[in-house]
Parts: sequence; structure tokens; C-alpha cells
Amino acid sequence: GENVEQHPSTLSVQEGDSAVIKCTYSDSASNYFPWYKQELGKRPQLIIDIRSNVGEKKDQRIAVTLNKTAKHFSLHITETQPEDSAVYFCAASMKTSYDKVIFGPGTSLSVIP
Amino acid sequence: DVKVTQSSRYLVKRTGEKVFLECVQDMDHENMFWYRQDPGLGLRLIYFSYDVKMKEKGDIPEGYSVSREKKERFSLILESASTNQTSMYLCASSSGAGPIYNEQFFGPGTRLTVL
Repeated sequence: GENVEQHPSTLSVQEGDSAVIKCTYSDSASNYFPWYKQELGKRPQLIIDIRSNVGEKKDQRIAVTLNKTAKHFSLHITETQPEDSAVYFCAASMKTSYDKVIFGPGTSLSVIP
Repeated sequence: DVKVTQSSRYLVKRTGEKVFLECVQDMDHENMFWYRQDPGLGLRLIYFSYDVKMKEKGDIPEGYSVSREKKERFSLILESASTNQTSMYLCASSSGAGPIYNEQFFGPGTRLTVL
């Protein structure tokens, strides 16, 4: 079955710096890669996603890149702000699986003011 | 707005007790999921359901069962709670519509402690 690895497990950056979180997946049939953000004490929420036919996607200060050949995908956050502090989960999915996803173990991001 | 609710935010049970965790969604979603969240292990899928009375095992189903008698409600059952089931339990739902992936919407979670 699919396995998703995520690095680093913790990340501290100064406010205004960039943060990068990297994930790898094992099943080449995966074709959808969402990212969820979970603030302390709150529920996970989808922040951005990318499909296998696209190499990069941006939404304001966040971007995701996908390298299908290497089975890597990454989340990039620019100009980080304290409200970006949260746990970020990458995930991989195949549509044929009833919207089921396999999540990575998570990255705890701390943005230091 | 999709609303996913869970019956309790905090629950304390004794070893051997039967425990019911309930999840309700109000958006007529086809799919519902139960996850367990532990530090360093991320969100691990216990069971999911793609229709009323239909269920499939996830990655860690041992010690758990589920019930979906109505479309909006998905219950997680711990037949005989054990201390290693102390964890945060998250429910989620997704519409299941169309040929593309649909976002999962999460509930607030239930922190279960088994003594």
C-alpha cells in the first residue's frame, strides 16, 4: 500500500523567512496530493492541493511542487507569519479509493516573531 | 459551510469498557472516516464508510468496529477499551462526488483517555 514520508518533523523559522516541507510517496498510482494545516487545538483543514498533471501550484504565500518521476512533493511558505505556526500534513490519494488519503506523520512549524 | 460534529471533546473510560464515539455531518456526504492521531505518527485511518451500512478497514482497524446506519452518522466502537487506545480520535467526511478527489472535512476531535 501507499506510504508517505515527511521531513522535517519539526521546523523553526524567523518571521519573514521561508519554510519548506518535503514529502515522498511510494505508490506511483497516486494522483492527488493535498496539504492540511492543523493549528493547536483545532481540526485539520485543507490549505492547498496539487494533481498529478501539474508540476506547481501557488496560492498567495504558499506553493506546492510535484516531481512525479522522483515521487516527491513539497510545500513552500514564503514571508512566514506567526499565524503560520501549526502542524502541516502532506497526503497522497488515488481517486478510485473513495477520497481516502494516506497522511504523512506531520511537520510542526514554529514561526518566531 | 460543512459541519462535522463529534459527540464529546473529552472522554475518560476504564479498561475493558465498551466505548462509543459518534460523528455527525450535515452536508449529505457519501464518505465518512475515523482517524486516530498520535504525536509523531500523524493521522492514521481506522475505518471508513462510502455508503450507509458499507465500511472498509483502514490501516489500524484492530480493536475497533464501526457502524453507519444513517448517512449522516458514523460511529466508532471500542469493544473493550485498552490503555493503548488512549489517543485523539478525529472524524472526517467528504462528498464523494465526481471523478476528482474531494476534500475531507474534519470534526473537532475526541480526546479519549483509558485508565
